[in-house]
Amino acid sequence: SQKIEQNSEALNIQEGKTATLTCNYTNYSPAYLQWYRQDPGRGPVFLLLIRENEKEKRKERLKVTFDTTLKQSLFHITASQPADSATYLCARAGAGSYQLTFGKGTKLSVIP
Amino acid sequence: GAVVSQHPSRVICKSGTSVKIECRSLDFQATTMFWYRQFPKKSLMLMATSNEGSKATYEQGVEKDKFLINHASLTLSTLTVTSAHPEDSSFYICSALHAGVYSNQPQHFGDGTRLSIL
Repeated sequence: SQKIEQNSEALNIQEGKTATLTCNYTNYSPAYLQWYRQDPGRGPVFLLLIRENEKEKRKERLKVTFDTTLKQSLFHITASQPADSATYLCARAGAGSYQLTFGKGTKLSVIP
Repeated sequence: GAVVSQHPSRVICKSGTSVKIECRSLDFQATTMFWYRQFPKKSLMLMATSNEGSKATYEQGVEKDKFLINHASLTLSTLTVTSAHPEDSSFYICSALHAGVYSNQPQHFGDGTRLSIL
């Protein structure tokens, strides 16, 4: 089966630093990976999508990379703020598929 | 844009009750909606894919007679948990895709329904 793993359950960083979250996948590369933010008691909110043939994607303070050799995606938040504290979910889909498989998420806490 | 409303946000009811959860796309049409279940510190588990005008497709291990899904219009899908028991207590979340869109697009999520069965 195609798995998606976010091995760090929690990550604490100091305000102003860059947060880096890791997402690993098994077997064949997904056509694309998506990153979502989820706040407690709320539904996920879409942040970024990166395709298999893209190395890097940016949006304001967010950056996502896709390394098919390492079977890994990294999610970076630069100049982190306490408001960035949330759980971040990585999700994969296969080619031509709109169904997503989600990782367990990494809970990020940005300490003032 | 792309707002999904889920109602109710919280339900507490007695064992044996049937509970209906609504998922509405407010500013777009959605031919496909998804229903997920989430346990604390666990990932979202896809329960079923709901397609407008046709029967839902259930994931392995999900009882279709227990979790009834109806997608009668392009903006509304409902999930009914029939004869709910304490083990059905969970956080249920829906998401929707824009009509005519297939892969490579984000899903738009509702804010979830916290179901507690006493």
